[in-house]
Amino acid sequence: EPEVTQTPSHQVTQMGQEVILRCVPISNHLYFYWYRQILGQKVEFLVSFYNNEISEKSEIFDDQFSVERPDGSNFTLKIRSTKLEDSAMYFCASSDPGQGRFNYGYTFGSGTRLTVV
Amino acid sequence: QKEVEQDPGPLSVPEGAIVSLNCTYSNSAFQYFMWYRQYSRKGPELLMYTYSSGNKEDGRFTAQVDKSSKYISLFIRDSQPSDSATYLCAIVTGANNLFFGTGTRLTVIP
Repeated sequence: EPEVTQTPSHQVTQMGQEVILRCVPISNHLYFYWYRQILGQKVEFLVSFYNNEISEKSEIFDDQFSVERPDGSNFTLKIRSTKLEDSAMYFCASSDPGQGRFNYGYTFGSGTRLTVV
Repeated sequence: QKEVEQDPGPLSVPEGAIVSLNCTYSNSAFQYFMWYRQYSRKGPELLMYTYSSGNKEDGRFTAQVDKSSKYISLFIRDSQPSDSATYLCAIVTGANNLFFGTGTRLTVIP
């Protein structure tokens, strides 16, 4: 079964540093997403991406964050000047509008655990 | 965000029990309702979705939506230890983004 792959599985960074979280969505999917889950809290929407541009973003997704699809397979989330409160699980997801996004929902990756120290 | 509220549990049941998981939502415009299962250190995995009101059954799982009361339910029959996980309800917004509940942690005891 096709999977969304995320790397690394765990990233530790010092406060103030920049991190890049990487994702390989399912190959024929066209919509890509980042969500995050702070420990003990809800999974929260960050941003959606389609046709090489941001479709929607939440209020969490401020100027500290950026996304990019640098090539035909990768989808990245960059967090600049990380803060302690950025520590969370970050999930990438993709969906295929050809099969109906509502019908099949998303496929999520296993996540990257980001720890800011 | 208060779009979706879910009792976080935890919920512990004996093997074979019927499990009822519930959520409420705030906006009557929502049309699509999803249930995800999340194992420890994994991403959410889609279990079932429903559109508008009514029931949908898939094996031991039944999803139910009552739009009049803005209530979403997931029932698990003949629960198994392998069902032990966190169950997340989610609604799909008009922009096709997901608002999740907090998740209910379920443990099925053999």
